[in-house]
This record gives sequence, C-alpha cells and structure tokens, in this order.
Amino acid sequence: AQSVTQLDSHVSVSEGTPVLLRCNYSSSYSPSLFWYVQHPNKGLQLLLKYTSAATLVKGINGFEAEFKKSETSFHLTKPSAHMSDAAEYFCVVSGNTDKLIFGTGTRLQVFP
Amino acid sequence: DAGVIQSPRHEVTEMGQEVTLRCKPISGHNSLFWYRQTMMRGLELLIYFNNNVPIDDSGMPEDRFSAKMPNASFSTLKIQPSEPRDSAVYFCASSLSGRAFSYEQYFGPGTRLTVT
Repeated sequence: AQSVTQLDSHVSVSEGTPVLLRCNYSSSYSPSLFWYVQHPNKGLQLLLKYTSAATLVKGINGFEAEFKKSETSFHLTKPSAHMSDAAEYFCVVSGNTDKLIFGTGTRLQVFP
Repeated sequence: DAGVIQSPRHEVTEMGQEVTLRCKPISGHNSLFWYRQTMMRGLELLIYFNNNVPIDDSGMPEDRFSAKMPNASFSTLKIQPSEPRDSAVYFCASSLSGRAFSYEQYFGPGTRLTVT
C-alpha cells in the first residue's frame, strides 16, 4: 500500500529565505513521487516529479526535491522564497496503478 | 494545448436541484479522474475512468452521485438531488495511463459548487 505524510501543515518564511517542505512516503513498489502546487482559487499544477532517474529533481520556479530511499523522504526546497510562492503544496505518491495518493497539504506563507 | 477544460467554473443551485459538471480531458489522454476538495476533507478522489470505463468508484459518496464518460473527450459528474453538504470545488484531471508515463495527472481549473 502507498501513503504519504506531509510533516507540516503550515510553514512561514520571510521573502528571500530558504523554503523546506517535508514529505515522507511509504510504498510497496518503486514509487513515482510528485509535488503539486495550488494557488488560491486555482487548480493543481505539477511542480516536479521523480520517476527513478536522478534522485535530485529540479522543477519549475526554482524548486527542487531530493529522493532519499533510505529515509523514505522527498522534501521540497527552494533557496530563496518569493512572495508569489505563497500557496498550498501537495506531496503525492503513486504505486502501480493510475491512482495518486495525495498528502494533506502544506500551506506556505511568505512574509515581506 | 488547451489543457483540461471544466464547465461551468461556478455553479450556485438550490437544494434538491440536479447539478451536472462537465470535463474535457487533454486530447490523447486515456485516464480521467474526478476529485472533490473541501476544507474539512481535503482532496478526495471520487471516481476514475480508463479508456472510458469506470475503474474505481469507491470514492463516490452515495447514490446521488453518478459519473459517465461516453467518449474519450467528454465526461460528466451529476449530483441528483443536490444537498448543501455537496458544496465544494470539483476537479477533473487526466493522464496517460501506465507506469511508462509515470501516472502524472493534469488538473482542470475546477468547478466551485455552492448548494443553498
């Protein structure tokens, strides 16, 4: 069975400081892992994905995530937060079916 | 590419009325998903289709909800009769099926449903 745990429901950072959103996963299969972002009153947009190639994955808007099998983690990072990064972020895992398993989300606030 | 298209974007209706939400997936995608998002329950998968066939409808709340996919380019989610607790944002997503495509889903902008 697959599951994903987002360790923080809310994260607040100042503009220009690093962002770290934490995600742990559990999967019986070699997983595909994703981060999606949802801005207020918008749909979900794919930020990046891991599919068993390089363990460090680069996404859009300067975000990246590192797949660590030994820690079963897939944390999302960005070196310098921007006001426009304020949104809800979802960590997602797939197993061996078309269904995706979504985390409960982390709301990122960015203060000027 | 137009992306996943949903209509209407907003729907306000009275309790007891029938509501139909529509979705056009990305051309060439063969899997389609309906989700519901609320503050209380987060994002829930209601049903998904593969090659127009319903594969898993275990998330459909009750018999008032039904979904169809008559062809590869159109799907509907119907609520009859609607109730205030159905108020939510309903998302449609599509993907290319199979591990080779890594199950990446593309989401539509959503339909915000308010039942008064």
